[in-house]
Amino acid sequence: DVLMTQSPLSLPVTLGQPASISCRSSQSLVYSDGNTHLTWFQQRPGQSPRRLIYKVSNRDSGVPDRFSGSGSGTDFTLTISRVEAEDVGVYYCMQGTHWPPATFGQGTKLEIK
Amino acid sequence: EVQLVESGGGLVQPGGSLRLSCAASGFSFSDYTMNWVRQAPGKGLEWVAYISTGGYSIYYADSVKGRFTISRDNAKNSLYLLMESLRDEDAAVYYCARSNSFDFWGQGTLVTVSS
Repeated sequence: DVLMTQSPLSLPVTLGQPASISCRSSQSLVYSDGNTHLTWFQQRPGQSPRRLIYKVSNRDSGVPDRFSGSGSGTDFTLTISRVEAEDVGVYYCMQGTHWPPATFGQGTKLEIK
Repeated sequence: EVQLVESGGGLVQPGGSLRLSCAASGFSFSDYTMNWVRQAPGKGLEWVAYISTGGYSIYYADSVKGRFTISRDNAKNSLYLLMESLRDEDAAVYYCARSNSFDFWGQGTLVTVSS
């Protein structure tokens, strides 16, 4: 199974400041069709997960443009350009290239300082 | 509006069985693959099972293989998860999620395994 490793696991951020979360996979996530199936999810307290970013850098409808995804191969990053209070929650990366199984990172808990 | 509504969770004894349901609306259910994902209390996300559009291709996590059965009824726009021989470690919130890219999730249903 592909191991997904996120860092940091805890991320205290000042409102208005940027934040970055790293996600590394144990093998390349480039699929045979050239796509890279790396997805980011946000889980706010008490809510179900919500997809933010798919195929590395494609933002879902309704996701603020302060969220962006980047990376390639085995190294990926979720960046929030200016953190807002509503961004508090846990962020997960997931690979969908080598599945089954789909595998998730451990989660990064973003909190406001 | 896409909606996924899980139901069927509850308290069950170790070794017992439970059947979860996921009612889909707002999209053409038969056109989408579906998944079950679970989250143990205070823990991260774990993919559990996948089913193709017609139900002919099915995959399970090793942790549930042989004990859980995923199925769907496209006529009823519904997804199911039959869980048997339940263990303490199966206690979690169970979510249904649409498609291979997990683009929409339900609100989850809580399964508690305890004697």
